[in-house]
Amino acid sequence: DTEVTQTPKHLVMGMTNKKSLKCEQHMGHRAMYWYKQKAKKPPELMFVYSYEKLSINESVPSRFSPECPNSSLLNLHLHALQPEDSALYLCASSQDWTTGVNEQFFGPGTRLTVL
Amino acid sequence: AQSVTQLDSHVSVSEGTPVLLRCNYSSSYSPSLFWYVQHPNKGLQLLLKYTSAATLVKGINGFEAEFKKSETSFHLTKPSAHMSDAAEYFCVVSDSTGFQKLVFGTGTRLLVSP
Repeated sequence: DTEVTQTPKHLVMGMTNKKSLKCEQHMGHRAMYWYKQKAKKPPELMFVYSYEKLSINESVPSRFSPECPNSSLLNLHLHALQPEDSALYLCASSQDWTTGVNEQFFGPGTRLTVL
Repeated sequence: AQSVTQLDSHVSVSEGTPVLLRCNYSSSYSPSLFWYVQHPNKGLQLLLKYTSAATLVKGINGFEAEFKKSETSFHLTKPSAHMSDAAEYFCVVSDSTGFQKLVFGTGTRLLVSP
């Protein structure tokens, strides 16, 4: 299985809602990532998890809260978002970088709209 | 710090003609370079990667790229474009220190006409 899956595909939420995005991989990868991509722009890194521990937080607002319950799952909890947070949210995974440079495998993304 | 520059925001070709997407990189050490493709409303798919082995790298769907250290370039080519190649292409360099963060270029939109 060389696939990263993300649910839901689309999400519409109000600014007072709480929702979660889910990402799953079964490739045995120990590094997982969240990216945000605005229209016609490259992805921007948000968070990196390594061995289920948060390794990088790219100064992301606290209304985004990541969670890595186990080595296969990555969640992104959303609360009190703003309309400017509307974007495509991409999850990726890779092998542990201590074994060398490894490419990241991306999921199809969740299209988030904040009203 | 590492960076990549994609020299064209849009490239238009006719089906069956060659494709050239240009990328220049900046790195203080031997870089790891990737090309990813993104079709509309989809995730990113790895086309190919360079990690200091052969300088000519072959990828999926007939794409290849040549690493030229003297020119700090990593251009993506394909001999004959297909309609299904129409997409956004990102040249990416890996930060080989720490957590190997990916540094993306701004992207090149490839348009393929019949």
